[in-house]
Amino acid sequence: AQRVTQPEKLLSVFKGAPVELKCNYSYSGSPELFWYVQYSRQRLQLLLRHISRESIKGFTADLNKGETSFHLKKPFAQEEDSAMYYCALKSGNTPLVFGKGTRLSVIA
Amino acid sequence: GAGVSQTPSNKVTEKGKYVELRCDPISGHTALYWYRQSLGQGPEFLIYFQGTGAADDSGLPNDRFFAVRPEGSVSTLKIQRTERGDSAVYLCASSASNTGELFFGEGSRLTVL
Repeated sequence: AQRVTQPEKLLSVFKGAPVELKCNYSYSGSPELFWYVQYSRQRLQLLLRHISRESIKGFTADLNKGETSFHLKKPFAQEEDSAMYYCALKSGNTPLVFGKGTRLSVIA
Repeated sequence: GAGVSQTPSNKVTEKGKYVELRCDPISGHTALYWYRQSLGQGPEFLIYFQGTGAADDSGLPNDRFFAVRPEGSVSTLKIQRTERGDSAVYLCASSASNTGELFFGEGSRLTVL
């Protein structure tokens, strides 16, 4: 069965500090991995996907198949990064499976 | 409209009542998804439509839950004999195809008293 694990419910960092939001998955095939974000009073939206290998709002994520991880990183956190972050996995034609989410709080 | 629209935004009902939640996807999006999100949890998959047919309904928790999309656009999630455990935010999302890039609505918050 596919599973996405986000071990931290809450992560607090100071503005300007590096951020790493952890995501591990269990799936034996070749999955697609995504990060979704929900800012306060906004709807859930796609942040980035591993296939595109791009940086969005300064965030990057690398798929590590050996460690089955897809951690989200940003070198310098900003206050506007405070939000709920969800890691999600897709395999073949199956719908997205989401983790439980991590709340990122960036302290000024 | 520009995005996925869900109505009602809030619904309070009594245990045992019937509830309908509506989703209007982005125009032209063939795929439509229903997820449920309980407090402190991530979105949990319920059902996925490709066009008018349910391509995957494996996430529906029991036969009290049913969803339709008769014309391949608007979808309605129907919950019979509601229970307190059904209280959650019901999220609808659509996509141009089953790619993983989902566009979500703001959700319908259901409270069963």
